Amino acid sequence: SQQGEEDPQALSIQEGENATMNCSYKTSINNLQWYRQNSGRGLVHLILIRSNEREKHSGRLRVTLDTSKKSSSLLITASRAADTASYFCATGLSNDYKLSFGAGTTVTVRA
Amino acid sequence: NAGVTQTPKFQVLKTGQSMTLQCAQDMNHNSMYWYRQDPGMGLRLIYYSASEGTTDKGEVPNGYNVSRLNKREFSLRLESAAPSQTSVYFCASSYRGNEQFFGPGTRLTVL
Repeated sequence: SQQGEEDPQALSIQEGENATMNCSYKTSINNLQWYRQNSGRGLVHLILIRSNEREKHSGRLRVTLDTSKKSSSLLITASRAADTASYFCATGLSNDYKLSFGAGTTVTVRA
Repeated sequence: NAGVTQTPKFQVLKTGQSMTLQCAQDMNHNSMYWYRQDPGMGLRLIYYSASEGTTDKGEVPNGYNVSRLNKREFSLRLESAAPSQTSVYFCASSYRGNEQFFGPGTRLTVL
C-alpha cells in the first residue's frame, strides 16, 4: 500500500504565485523525498529531507517535515509555467532502500 | 553519461506473450528498482535489487520476474502478459537509499 498521500490532488495557480502541497504518511520514516514528473516523462528528484531535519531549501523550493504529525509540505515560490507538472512525495524507511510513493499533486501554472 | 536508459520505449503485446524490459545505469549505483505507474496513481514498486546479486519483491510482484545481470543492468520479465499489466514501467537506480534517478519509461499495452 502507498505510504504517502498528497493533498490537494490538483492545484491551478497564476504565474508568479506560490504553490503549496502537502504529504501525509503513516509510519516512522528515515527520509522523505519530493519528485517532479513532467507529462510523459520520468521522475526527477527535487529534494530529500531526513527525519532529523525540519526544513530544507533548494532554489525556489522549500520543504518542511513534521515527524510528530507525520506530514511534509512542499512550497514552490514565484511559480513559472515550467513548474507545470505532477509532484510526488516518497518516504524511505530506515531498514531498506525502498521508497513508497503517493499518488501525486498535479500543478498547473497559468500564464 | 546517459544516466538510466530503458528499452524499448513502447511495446504492444497480445495476451499470453512474453517480453523482457531492459534497464541499464552508468552511475555506479548499488541499488536498482522497477516500478509501474497507472493513471491517477503514484508509482508502485514491482521488484528491487539493493545490491548486485540480490533481488526482492516489492508491492506488486505477481506476474513479473527480474534479473540483476551485473551492477549496471536490471531486467524485468513478463512471462505471460495480461491486460492488467498495461502500464508505464519505470526503472530507477540509487546509491544506498538516497535520491533515485529514473529512466524515461516503457509504455506497454497488452491486448
